[in-house]
Amino acid sequence: QKEVEQNSGPLSVPEGAIASLNCTYSDRGSQSFFWYRQYSGKSPELIMFIYSNGDKEDGRFTAQLNKASQYVSLLIRDSQPSDSATYLCAVNRNNNDMRFGAGTRLTVKP
Amino acid sequence: DADVTQTPRNRITKTGKRIMLECSQTKGHDRMYWYRQDPGLGLRLIYYSFDVKDINKGEISDGYSVSRQAQAKFSLSLESAIPNQTALYFCATSDPALVDPTVPNYGYTFGSGTRLTVV
Repeated sequence: QKEVEQNSGPLSVPEGAIASLNCTYSDRGSQSFFWYRQYSGKSPELIMFIYSNGDKEDGRFTAQLNKASQYVSLLIRDSQPSDSATYLCAVNRNNNDMRFGAGTRLTVKP
Repeated sequence: DADVTQTPRNRITKTGKRIMLECSQTKGHDRMYWYRQDPGLGLRLIYYSFDVKDINKGEISDGYSVSRQAQAKFSLSLESAIPNQTALYFCATSDPALVDPTVPNYGYTFGSGTRLTVV
């Protein structure tokens, strides 16, 4: 079992819709959780982090965490073509290193 | 100038050659990391360093070595390059939250990457 699992996609949504990206992790001791956006050929860029159960909102982005289910999600409201990218889920296990999922490729169609 | 700079951006090398990838940062962060990214496998940690005197192996350190020359510089070496080391390599930095120490924000800042091809 991979430590951090994501559906590789591609996930395709129409412009203006809500995109829902999911991630599960295996280490129950994980402390903090991150979403990075990576455009093709570019480096990952941090867009959200969350460390408490529940929802955290930042503009059009909402991160959701359920530690009991070991599940993290990212919702993107009013999706735009510029949101088309690969989204990486990352889990900080014990302050020593961060483990990444393989990423979900999102395409937002005009 | 970028906060985290990697050189070179692209490199093609032959099997068996020694190659060094360099990373420098202006963020003043103590923690630095080297990752490789392969299609379908995501980012995998090679080595990390929490300060100049601290070097730690990551998931996939075999065939690699590192040097932390200063707080701002962290180099990755492939002692004898092999084709399955062909990948995109990223350097990253992080620092614990400075504003609120109760918030465990250890988000990373990545360099622009080095695309390495071993033929």
